Amino acid sequence: DQQVKQNSPSLSVQEGRISILNCDYTNSMFDYFLWYKKYPAEGPTFLISISSIKDKNEDGRFTVFLNKSAKHLSLHIVPSQPGDSAVYFCAASGDFGNEKLTFGTGTRLTIIP
Amino acid sequence: DAMVIQNPRYQVTQFGKPVTLSCSQTLNHNVMYWYQQKSSQAPKLLFHYYDKDFNNEADTPDNFQSRRPNTSFCFLDIRSPGLGDAAMYLCATSRGTGQPQHFGDGTRLSIL
Repeated sequence: DQQVKQNSPSLSVQEGRISILNCDYTNSMFDYFLWYKKYPAEGPTFLISISSIKDKNEDGRFTVFLNKSAKHLSLHIVPSQPGDSAVYFCAASGDFGNEKLTFGTGTRLTIIP
Repeated sequence: DAMVIQNPRYQVTQFGKPVTLSCSQTLNHNVMYWYQQKSSQAPKLLFHYYDKDFNNEADTPDNFQSRRPNTSFCFLDIRSPGLGDAAMYLCATSRGTGQPQHFGDGTRLSIL
């Protein structure tokens, strides 16, 4: 039972354009969402998060949007740079006192110079 | 720099031979986690410690055990590794609920 889904295993975007990575979830109790970035041979690195009381959070080139009614979140990267090429994982947690994360399977983003 | 350190980065063991993976942190975080990740799959939580309280996931095999002797260190013991246990093992830490987890670079375990 995959509660967090990233339906696109891969995505290619031209340098300078916007990259949009999508994530869907099924558990309505999730209230905290995160994006992680992973380079080969390294552990995931925390990128940006959003709590369910917001619908948008921005940090530099990275913006996360949350649509609770659709149980959907997305990560926008603009402008995309070659160093953004990596695997991106969406993760979620829920219930006050729940410190566990449920991860999606990841989307491999390739930025084409 | 404060960080999460996993040793070794690569571990090879024989089928059925016990192996221990280690994780240390300088972040002084309350929570430490162990994940198993296989190729093209999501990281799967095996167990976590909230301070000294151990929390095992229901589907974590009995073959996997963990120890947290102090705040800084956490160990993953695999008592009798099978071929299906070959994977990347990730350690992470966090301050707790509503806080991001910070990951080490993982230990890639191979079983001969």
